[in-house]
Amino acid sequence: KQEVTQIPAALSVPEGENLVLNCSFTDSAIYNLQWFRQDPGKGLTSLLLIQSSQREQTSGRLNASLDKSSGRSTLYIAASQPGDSATYLCAVRKGETSGSRLTFGEGTQLTVNP
Amino acid sequence: GAVVSQHPSWVICKSGTSVKIECRSLDFQATTMFWYRQFPKQSLMLMATSNEGSKATYEQGVEKDKFLINHASLTLSTLTVTSAHPEDSSFYICSATGHLNSPLHFGNGTRLTVT
Repeated sequence: KQEVTQIPAALSVPEGENLVLNCSFTDSAIYNLQWFRQDPGKGLTSLLLIQSSQREQTSGRLNASLDKSSGRSTLYIAASQPGDSATYLCAVRKGETSGSRLTFGEGTQLTVNP
Repeated sequence: GAVVSQHPSWVICKSGTSVKIECRSLDFQATTMFWYRQFPKQSLMLMATSNEGSKATYEQGVEKDKFLINHASLTLSTLTVTSAHPEDSSFYICSATGHLNSPLHFGNGTRLTVT
């Protein structure tokens, strides 16, 4: 059974700092990995999707890496801003069909202080 | 980008009544939709997977007669919480995907409160 762990569970940083969120998964046989952001009381916003054959994806100040063999992914946020405060979730998808489910981590709650 | 619309965003109902939540994909055809439940400060718990035109696949421990899912078209899935009880109060979120290599997109969730 796939298990996804995110460390740290919570993180508080001053504005402008670069930071790294970690995600690990126990079964390396994944199809892709997706990072999401969730604001309080809201749904999830997709940030980055990395296919299993890829090593990283970038979008603006966000960079996600994937090391499938070691079961790890990191989300790097550059020059953090108060608006980045949210819960960040990683999720892995195992199967090759559209119905294959995602397994989520518990999330990292990020607070960026002005 | 792809948008998933979920309605209502919040609902308060009395115990014993039924509540329907809609999930629509606005600019793509969703072959598969997923329904999740989320408790405070916890991650998402998958309730069921629905494919257009077929019966939903429920996760272990989820009562299919209580949480009725209908995926009648490629753009709409509904979750009906039947005979709601206070313990059904939660945050329900749907997600949808088109083809396999595209990201999974989520609705904004529905806060259900059963009094």
